[in-house]
Amino acid sequence: EIVMTQSPATLSVSPGERATLSCRASQSVSSNLAWYQQKPGQAPRLLIYGASTRATGIPARFSGSGSGTEFTLTISSLQSEDFAVYYCQQYNNWPPEYTFGQGTKLEIK
Amino acid sequence: QLQLQESGSGLVKPSQTLSLTCAVSGGSISSGGYSWSWIRQPPGKGLEWIGYIYHSGSTYYNPSLKSRVTISVDRSKNQFSLKLSSVTAADTAVYYCARFSTDYGDYWGQGTLVTVSS
Repeated sequence: EIVMTQSPATLSVSPGERATLSCRASQSVSSNLAWYQQKPGQAPRLLIYGASTRATGIPARFSGSGSGTEFTLTISSLQSEDFAVYYCQQYNNWPPEYTFGQGTKLEIK
Repeated sequence: QLQLQESGSGLVKPSQTLSLTCAVSGGSISSGGYSWSWIRQPPGKGLEWIGYIYHSGSTYYNPSLKSRVTISVDRSKNQFSLKLSSVTAADTAVYYCARFSTDYGDYWGQGTLVTVSS
């Protein structure tokens, strides 16, 4: 089983500043990595797939990078609506299963 | 626009079977290239993938739940279903259905809370 570890668990950032969230895989997942945003009472929303491709309608301030075992989600200039929990998720060809990280809570400083 | 909607019992007794259905609209569940997944989230905790069914009908389950999970599809109704047997309080969660485009979930249902309690 591939384990996904996100850090930090909580990140406090002021609006307008940059936020950098990390995700590490226990073994290589190539670029099969997605990022989601989840707000209270809502379903997760796809932000990034293929490690660095923004999903439809996602603002350019969200960017993803990395491959193999180390990945980063960067939000360049935080807006009020960006404060939420962020999850990374990997897909492995074999065994063909999905695994989520435990999440990073992005809170207002 | 594809839409997914979960439905089913919100309260299940311990040791019984949890049953949920995900109705898909705005697209066909038989479309190739996608898998149809169930994911759950215990209150205040993270996301756990439960399993999926391909358009072909083949399935794959989370090894930690495999012995208790069955996912099936009803193409005539354009929906897929989840059954989780022998539930305990640890199975209390919001259950989501989602479409996965190979390696990412691009469409999600709103989620439904299932509580396991006597």
